[in-house]
Amino acid sequence: AQTVTQSQPEMSVQEAETVTLSCTYDTSESDYYLFWYKQPPSRQMILVIRQEAYKQQNATENRFSVNFQKAAKSFSLKISDSQLGDAAMYFCAYKGNTPLVFGKGTRLSVIA
Amino acid sequence: DTAVSQTPKYLVTQMGNDKSIKCEQNLGHDTMYWYKQDSKKFLKIMFSYNNKELIINETVPNRFSPKSPDKAHLNLHINSLELGDSAVYFCASSRLTTRGSGQYFGPGTRLTVT
Repeated sequence: AQTVTQSQPEMSVQEAETVTLSCTYDTSESDYYLFWYKQPPSRQMILVIRQEAYKQQNATENRFSVNFQKAAKSFSLKISDSQLGDAAMYFCAYKGNTPLVFGKGTRLSVIA
Repeated sequence: DTAVSQTPKYLVTQMGNDKSIKCEQNLGHDTMYWYKQDSKKFLKIMFSYNNKELIINETVPNRFSPKSPDKAHLNLHINSLELGDSAVYFCASSRLTTRGSGQYFGPGTRLTVT
């Protein structure tokens, strides 16, 4: 079964600085998708960024970018120019031929 | 316009009661899901319906019964509520043939069983 591991339960970053959240996964599939979801205190799950496994180019969405290392099964999220509104739980998720599998999340605090 | 909506957002009830949570999506998606998020924030899928047909049924007590009257709705009925059912329940939707587009989540329903 596929598993997703987020090894950092909590992270903090100064406003305007850059932070990287780690995610590793385990799979034997070759075709799959990876996602980062943000859950602010409002508890709404918001899709931040997605990556297709067969694309070598790392996905970017404004201040959010990923470092996708397929061989290492690593999918980290980089947040640049961190803002107070970035404070949230961040979940890494995997989608292959199975239901969406989530990691346990990383709580990000942003310090003014 | 709300893409995926759930009602109610908060639900407080006593053990042994029966309750329902409703979900509706206006995205034209053909697949809908129910997830449970426990107190440690862990998200786990419970059910998935595609075109009103059950396609995923994870290990969930049979006190939980999903019902999909049409592609845009997936309701969750819970019988004989227990303390351990307290959690946040999320509805989500997607298009099955475009699994890379991700799932869109509702605002969640916080269920508290006393």
